[in-house]
Amino acid sequence: EPEVTQTPSHQVTQMGQEVILRCVPISNHLYFYWYRQILGQKVEFLVSFYNNEISEKSEIFDDQFSVERPDGSNFTLKIRSTKLEDSAMYFCASSGDQPGYNSPLHFGNGTRLTVT
Amino acid sequence: GDSVTQMEGPVTLSEEAFLTINCTYTATGYPSLFWYVQYPGEGLQLLLKATKADDKGSNKGFEATYRKETTSFHLEKGSVQVSDSAVYFCALRHPLGGNTPLVFGKGTRLSVIA
Repeated sequence: EPEVTQTPSHQVTQMGQEVILRCVPISNHLYFYWYRQILGQKVEFLVSFYNNEISEKSEIFDDQFSVERPDGSNFTLKIRSTKLEDSAMYFCASSGDQPGYNSPLHFGNGTRLTVT
Repeated sequence: GDSVTQMEGPVTLSEEAFLTINCTYTATGYPSLFWYVQYPGEGLQLLLKATKADDKGSNKGFEATYRKETTSFHLEKGSVQVSDSAVYFCALRHPLGGNTPLVFGKGTRLSVIA
């Protein structure tokens, strides 16, 4: 069964550094998402992306965050200047091989980001 | 805004015990409801879902019924196994507008001991 893959599985970075988290969604999916889970807390929606633009974002997704689909297969989340509170597990997800139909989300295994 | 509340964990059960994990939601309209499971070291996997009132979702021996009158979607299993040890997340999603985001609860960690 096709799956969403995320790299790296664990990223350690220093406060103030830029970090890029990478995801390869399922190939025929049209909708892409990033979620995060701070340790011990709920899984929170960050952003959704469709047709090469952001379709929805949460208040967490401020100017420090950006997403990109640079080459038709990768979907990246960039944090420009990391803060300690950005330490979390980041999940990528994809869905929807048909526009407008609310199909299930498929999640990757996550990237654990640790900011020191 | 929309929200999901799950019972606090961790929940520890002996093998073959009955499992209930409570989930209630607050939402406008008629959301779809889901249970996701996260096994150790893995991503979130859809366990079951229900899209309208009184629907029962079921998979791998787990069941949950969409109760609009109590705004609940409690997860149950009659006889748990060690392999069911995981974190379980209740979630909702509005069906309109196409591929709307999921809203998750905090998750409930289940440990099943032999």
